[in-house]
Amino acid sequence: SQQGEEDPQALSIQEGENATMNCSYKTSINNLQWYRQNSGRGLVHLILIRSNEREKHSGRLRVTLDTSKKSSSLLITASRAADTASYFCATRGILWGAQKLVFGQGTRLTINP
Amino acid sequence: DAGVTQSPTHLIKTRGQQVTLRCSPKSGHDTVSWYQQALGQGPQFIFQYYEEEERQRGNFPDRFSGHQFPNYSSELNVNALLLGDSALYLCASSLRGDREWSGANVLTFGAGSRLTVL
Repeated sequence: SQQGEEDPQALSIQEGENATMNCSYKTSINNLQWYRQNSGRGLVHLILIRSNEREKHSGRLRVTLDTSKKSSSLLITASRAADTASYFCATRGILWGAQKLVFGQGTRLTINP
Repeated sequence: DAGVTQSPTHLIKTRGQQVTLRCSPKSGHDTVSWYQQALGQGPQFIFQYYEEEERQRGNFPDRFSGHQFPNYSSELNVNALLLGDSALYLCASSLRGDREWSGANVLTFGAGSRLTVL
């Protein structure tokens, strides 16, 4: 079963605009990670935020984590055509020994030129 | 520095057949995880291997089995294939780290093996 639920399922914006994707999860976590997948190929790690962190930045990416609401958001600023991809949040839990990542169903992001 | 390599990239099988997928982890990594990704879905955890042992298993039947070799490479075997096994199979490697399952390890994914069962 998949713990994360992502919202929206699909997002289409103009190049240069900001894109925000949200992720909710159900159980306590050690950390939350975001991955990108281009055209059904392998996933690429973008950023990791630990359960004791509230915000993290990496280049044009900004991730927030609210453990009280069990939710996270990924903001991509000044979007580019190359950002077109599917984005997945993934949680590493505590109760099941932190030995796996549980992925959400993903947000399909399309950047229009 | 080679990343994670998977083979084959595409394959077609018929129901009831068996398949073996192979994975070589990123140089320096010692842990291999396998995920199944159905079309339009997120990856689902199958199992993870470390020190040639299965460390954790997801909600997959015994038809799914694996192996890790001394060089850290891994195989995923699926027996008695069903139509529902059609998916992208992803291998991911990581480094266990100094602290046991510290949780901070990110995964490096291969490009996947796309299996179609007819």
